[in-house]
Amino acid sequence: QKEVEQNSGPLSVPEGAIASLNCTYSDRGSQSFFWYRQYSGKSPELIMSIYSNGDKEDGRFTAQLNKASQYVSLLIRDSQPSDSATYLCAVRNSGNTPLVFGKGTRLSVIA
Amino acid sequence: GAVVSQHPSRVICKSGTSVKIECRSLDFQATTMFWYRQFPKQSLMLMATSNEGSKATYEQGVEKDKFLINHASLTLSTLTVTSAHPEDSSFYICSARVGRGQYEQYFGPGTRLTVT
Repeated sequence: QKEVEQNSGPLSVPEGAIASLNCTYSDRGSQSFFWYRQYSGKSPELIMSIYSNGDKEDGRFTAQLNKASQYVSLLIRDSQPSDSATYLCAVRNSGNTPLVFGKGTRLSVIA
Repeated sequence: GAVVSQHPSRVICKSGTSVKIECRSLDFQATTMFWYRQFPKQSLMLMATSNEGSKATYEQGVEKDKFLINHASLTLSTLTVTSAHPEDSSFYICSARVGRGQYEQYFGPGTRLTVT
């Protein structure tokens, strides 16, 4: 059973702080890793993808991948109240297999 | 990112009727689309994988005769909920694959189905 684990939260951070979201996965053969943001009542929105070990930065977002530890994280710098949402970690083994989603971490940014 | 649309965004139907939901890739061709269902405060559940020109692959526990999927073209997939019941009320979301190899997956805005 391929599993993706996330702390359900809520994770509360003050406005302007760094929010750190973590995800672990069980399938060592996983190749592709994604972070989605989902606002309440809305569908998921892709915010980051990462495929190789290390860091990938895009604006205020940084994804970090460590395949040896089977760990992927998302850092959000200068957190804003508009970042308050559920963040879903998703992992894929090979190109033709479906994404496996974690249950999501609810982030609350307090103004 | 790529744009995926869904129609309708909300639908209310009576128990026993059928409802069709359309999913379109607007600015790209999608050989593979995915259909998900999400109940309130729960995680996404993959229902089926839809490939253009072939039969959909359903996940375990999903009734293929109840949830009919047709991927008739490279830009359109449809999900028909047949003989809907109140327990089918949920948020249905389609998703499309973009690219080859290390592809990305984008979601439509979702369809909220309420069966009365």
